[in-house]
Amino acid sequence: QVQLVESGGGVVQPARSLRLSCTASGFTLSGFVMHWVRQAPGKGLEWVAVVSYDGNTKYYADSVKGRFTISRDNSKNTLYLQMNSLRAGDTAVYFCARETGQFDYWGQGTLVTVSS
Amino acid sequence: DIQMTQSPSTLSASVGDRVTITCRASQSISNWLAWYQQKPGKAPNLLIYEASNLQSGVPSRFSGSGSGTEFTLTISSLQPDDFATYYCQQYDSYPVTFGQGTKVEIK
Repeated sequence: QVQLVESGGGVVQPARSLRLSCTASGFTLSGFVMHWVRQAPGKGLEWVAVVSYDGNTKYYADSVKGRFTISRDNSKNTLYLQMNSLRAGDTAVYFCARETGQFDYWGQGTLVTVSS
Repeated sequence: DIQMTQSPSTLSASVGDRVTITCRASQSISNWLAWYQQKPGKAPNLLIYEASNLQSGVPSRFSGSGSGTEFTLTISSLQPDDFATYYCQQYDSYPVTFGQGTKVEIK
């Protein structure tokens, strides 16, 4: 069955970096566009970034542009989100999601807390 | 960016009620709209795609309609498992945007 499992979250100080991973199983990652979506505590869903099938095309939300980098390693069936210059406002649960137009499968999320 | 506005923000209803949630887009998105259900501590779950198509495995009491800028999600007879927060999402263009959510509470 299709499964997405995020990892790499934790507590990090402002201005530091963190890399999230999303490991896919039950399907071939290379066949799908993939996204990161985040949700701050008690808030709604915010789209973060998208990467094309081959990793060559990427788009970002303005709130993370220049600080976050989305990438993928299809040989490892893994999606990544490199987060630099983290701010308190980046505190959220980060979900990876598979796109088939709509987002048909989501991971369970990994919590990133930015705090000194 | 396309803004998505849901109403109401909170809805109090009883088991068996018919419930309707509205989502408006700031510009036409054709039918590129999805609805998700989210329960506390869980990931969103896709209910409806392309405005009116029921995702596999989703109960038939859920339905979606609309096109252009105005869309609705209807639950024909609210069940205890349906108390949750619902989000609309446009995927007509990047950035993908979500509505602010509608929390369906027990009356």
